[in-house]
Amino acid sequence: QKEVEQDPGPLSVPEGAIVSLNCTYSNSAFQYFMWYRQYSRKGPELLMYTYSSGNKEDGRFTAQVDKSSKYISLFIRDSQPSDSATYLCAMRAGANSKLTFGKGITLSVRP
Amino acid sequence: DAGITQSPRHKVTETGTPVTLRCHQTENHRYMYWYRQDPGHGLRLIHYSYGVKDTDKGEVSDGYSVSRSKTEDFLLTLESATSSQTSVYFCAISVTTWGYEQYFGPGTRLTVT
Repeated sequence: QKEVEQDPGPLSVPEGAIVSLNCTYSNSAFQYFMWYRQYSRKGPELLMYTYSSGNKEDGRFTAQVDKSSKYISLFIRDSQPSDSATYLCAMRAGANSKLTFGKGITLSVRP
Repeated sequence: DAGITQSPRHKVTETGTPVTLRCHQTENHRYMYWYRQDPGHGLRLIHYSYGVKDTDKGEVSDGYSVSRSKTEDFLLTLESATSSQTSVYFCAISVTTWGYEQYFGPGTRLTVT
């Protein structure tokens, strides 16, 4: 079983839709959870960061962590064509542990 | 790109030849990383460095070596390139150990024929 599983996609939605991106994980030691956004032919950039369980909101983006279910989500409200990118979840256990990435899901928002 | 440059940006090389990729940062951060990104595998850590001449292996280090003689430069060498090393290579930096806020370079697209 992979440590981090991410829905493979691709995902295509109309502009204005609410998007839900999800990852599951098997390592109960993971405490830090991140979402990276990667535009085509660019390097990933950090989008959201959450420690332990709970929600975090930043504009149209909400990151949600459910440690009891080992499940994290990224919600995008009022999706825009500029949100079209690949989204990667990442997580780590502690200060001295490496980042483990999901495989990424490609999102396309149709005008 | 947080002051990170990678060179070359694109390279085509033949099987069996050595290849060196360079990562250069302008912000003097201690920690630097090399990843490869492949369809179906996501980002995988090759090697990392926690200071000048201090490096360690990641999860896919076979066939790769690294060197860091200056804070600003982190070199990745494919000793004898194979077709399985065709990939996009990303360098990253972080301010703290395994920092969640890793900043990535623009990537190098390497093709081994």
